Amino acid sequence: GESVGLHLPTLSVQEGDNSIINCAYSNSASDYFIWYKQESGKGPQFIIDIRSNMDKRQGQRVTVLLNKTVKHLSLQIAATQPGDSAVYFCAENSNYKLSFGAGTTVTVRA
Amino acid sequence: DAGVIQSPRHEVTEMGQEVTLRCKPISGHNSLFWYRQTMMRGLELLIYFNNNVPIDDSGMPEDRFSAKMPNASFSTLKIQPSEPRDSAVYFCASTPRQTSGNTIYFGEGSWLTVV
Repeated sequence: GESVGLHLPTLSVQEGDNSIINCAYSNSASDYFIWYKQESGKGPQFIIDIRSNMDKRQGQRVTVLLNKTVKHLSLQIAATQPGDSAVYFCAENSNYKLSFGAGTTVTVRA
Repeated sequence: DAGVIQSPRHEVTEMGQEVTLRCKPISGHNSLFWYRQTMMRGLELLIYFNNNVPIDDSGMPEDRFSAKMPNASFSTLKIQPSEPRDSAVYFCASTPRQTSGNTIYFGEGSWLTVV
């Protein structure tokens, strides 16, 4: 069946370095993608989104890249900070359903 | 602005008891979702409402689970009878309207433990 999955379950990054979180999706009909951040004890929080007619979108310290050819999505976090430690989920939105990947745990080392 | 509001935040109950989780979506949002999160299965969509009408409940695990949305500002998810395997975090989320391309906003979750 269709699925959204993450390449790596954990990522350890030095404070100040850039982080890259990857995600693969399989539903070629998906037209909207979202990255969420979930801190311990909280609900998923919207970070950035991208529509399928785009291949790059930038926010504050974050950039999302979409490669529709290989059905790959990535989230880049610039100058990673301790507050960026969390679980990051990619999600694909097809019609009304939001399907989540397994999540990548990002740990920032001081 | 108030986000999605869920209650209770935490609940511990005994197996066999009825559990009712509550949600108030963001004002003006027409679509409401109930998700369940576990370590084994991640985030799963249980049911989705649009304009207070259940559209897709294919994710509801079994008849013990039911959800209602009597008005635009309130929804409940009920488990009766509860079982230990229902222990999870239950999230409610809302979005302005039923189209792709609308961000879905989550509440802080209801952490359920069934012993």
